[in-house]
Amino acid sequence: DAGVIQSPRHEVTEMGQEVTLRCKPISGHDYLFWYRQTMMRGLELLIYFNNNVPIDDSGMPEDRFSAKMPNASFSTLKIQPSEPRDSAVYFCASSLTNSPLHFGNGTRLTVT
Amino acid sequence: SQQGEEDPQALSIQEGENATMNCSYKTSINNLQWYRQNSGRGLVHLILIRSNEREKHSGRLRVTLDTSKKSSSLLITASRAADTASYFCATFNTGNQFYFGTGTSLTVIP
Repeated sequence: DAGVIQSPRHEVTEMGQEVTLRCKPISGHDYLFWYRQTMMRGLELLIYFNNNVPIDDSGMPEDRFSAKMPNASFSTLKIQPSEPRDSAVYFCASSLTNSPLHFGNGTRLTVT
Repeated sequence: SQQGEEDPQALSIQEGENATMNCSYKTSINNLQWYRQNSGRGLVHLILIRSNEREKHSGRLRVTLDTSKKSSSLLITASRAADTASYFCATFNTGNQFYFGTGTSLTVIP
């Protein structure tokens, strides 16, 4: 089991550019979560999916953020246009129902 | 945070001592979990305690849960330098949402 795989590990972009973060969950897991981590706000739940369907996106900060899960093995988090305040580490995690989360190693996003 | 707070924010102890971290949360839960995060890495699950349990052990870890006070504690006994990391509590609530606390940064001095 390769675990949750996120790409890229680091992303540096200029304000106004589109950013796409990618996640491959653990095979067989039916939940997928996107979190953002910053020093100021800690770990924030952005959105989560169950069986590829978005269940709760109330944590998505603005319309600039969107997430998709076209199939059970792939999810994307897109920011368009990006802003400096979006700089953070973005984590994807997957799990089975009522089970612990398995995290990827995150994508460190820097928007200049 | 979206769900709760942990204290202390930072803890520094000598190797061999015990470390205790506390977590308070806001809503009804199905279970509470503790995670560890090493610098630059994702979180790793340590232990899960269900809402109808009061105490649970796993190796050098002991977790307690008081649902009436909406609080939990994590005790690491006989700490080692390798235990240096950030520790987070996470609550899994009836809405199938995972929320994390603010974390405790633990430093174990060899």
